[in-house]
Amino acid sequence: EAAVTQSPRSKVAVTGGKVTLSCHQTNNHDYMYWYRQDTGHGLRLIHYSYVADSTEKGDIPDGYKASRPSQENFSLILELASLSQTAVYFCASSDKLGGRAETLYFGSGTRLTVL
Amino acid sequence: QQQVRQSPQSLTVWEGETAILNCSYEDSTFDYFPWYWQFPRESPALLIAIRPVSNKKEDGRFTIFFNKREKKLSLHITDSQPGDSATYFCAASVGTNAYKVIFGKGTHLHVLP
Repeated sequence: EAAVTQSPRSKVAVTGGKVTLSCHQTNNHDYMYWYRQDTGHGLRLIHYSYVADSTEKGDIPDGYKASRPSQENFSLILELASLSQTAVYFCASSDKLGGRAETLYFGSGTRLTVL
Repeated sequence: QQQVRQSPQSLTVWEGETAILNCSYEDSTFDYFPWYWQFPRESPALLIAIRPVSNKKEDGRFTIFFNKREKKLSLHITDSQPGDSATYFCAASVGTNAYKVIFGKGTHLHVLP
């Protein structure tokens, strides 16, 4: 079965600190995504990647960086964490059909609290 | 603008009734529309999906109706069950950027026994 593993499951960070969220998939998928979930906003796309060593900006990339060093791993980096970045973060991978993203398989999420 | 809009924000139905969740979009390049559901404290998971070549997709009690001309679609859940209580997200795969997937804000469905 498809597997997307996120770490850590939860984290408390201080304002101005650096935070790295990690994601590992064993699906052999080319596409990977980072979404942020907040009450009332649904799932908002932060960064995504369609191939290793390349990332793309999503709809809300400000304050976030992404890194895709290999097909299996995709990290989200908050260089200077802020209170407004408190949220649940989901990583996902996707298979593709004809070059198009198909089903997204989500990790369990990381609950980030910035104090 | 690339957006997916959902309504209502929250919906309550009685067990056995049909729940209707709505979704609309503006960008005509959207060409794949999956619906995901998410139970409390869990991750979203694919429920059902449709492509614009079809105007209807059915899977058991769940049916998507698609109106390409009006850029609207709806998810009908017949014979609703308390176990269907979840948040439902309409999503879209962007045709001009086929690996970009965006989501609506979701509809919270409550099915009362």
